[in-house]
Amino acid sequence: QAHLVESGGGLVKPGGSLRLSCAASGFTFSEYYMGWIRQAPGKGLEWVSYIGTRNSVTNIADSVKGRFTISRDNAKNSLFLQMDSLRAEDTAVYYCARELAIFGAAFDIWGQGTMVTVAS
Amino acid sequence: EIVLTQSPGTLSLSPGDRATLSCRASQNVRSSYLAWYQQKPGQPPRLLIYGASSRATGIPDRFSASGFGTDFTLTINRLEPEDFAVYYCQQFGTSPLYTFGQGTKLEIK
Repeated sequence: QAHLVESGGGLVKPGGSLRLSCAASGFTFSEYYMGWIRQAPGKGLEWVSYIGTRNSVTNIADSVKGRFTISRDNAKNSLFLQMDSLRAEDTAVYYCARELAIFGAAFDIWGQGTMVTVAS
Repeated sequence: EIVLTQSPGTLSLSPGDRATLSCRASQNVRSSYLAWYQQKPGQPPRLLIYGASSRATGIPDRFSASGFGTDFTLTINRLEPEDFAVYYCQQFGTSPLYTFGQGTKLEIK
């Protein structure tokens, strides 16, 4: 059974950094595109970033471009999100998610999320 | 940027009713790359529909969806108590790569 578990969230001051991790199990991680989606408290969903099966294909939302970097380690079945120059508006639950095989265009497996709070 | 507008914002219905949720895009959605998710409090979203009308694995057939271009609809027949949640539509394909609607809250009347 496919499973994703995020970690690395916490409280950080504005301008600080955090590195989120997502551990995958129950499926062949290296064969799937992956993404990060966030949800501010009481708000809707916002796509953050996306990575192909290798680190060569990435895409990132304008709201975090130049501050966040997505990467993966297929040998360790892990997805990462390096977040630098954090702002209050980055406060959210961050979900990692698996993109649908073959068809793509949607996320069929989601982790439970990790909370990131940016405050002084 | 494609903006997805969902309506209504809140829908109040009773178990056994039929729910009809709308998602309108500001531009054509590429190749029907439109998906629907259900989210309950404290839980991650759950994929219901992809490709505008294909049910995801394990989704009951009381959930159906249709549409193309700019207008999409999610229909839930014979509402069950566990169906009351927030529903999001999502498109894929243009910058930003993925966008979500603001959500429709389906609440018990």
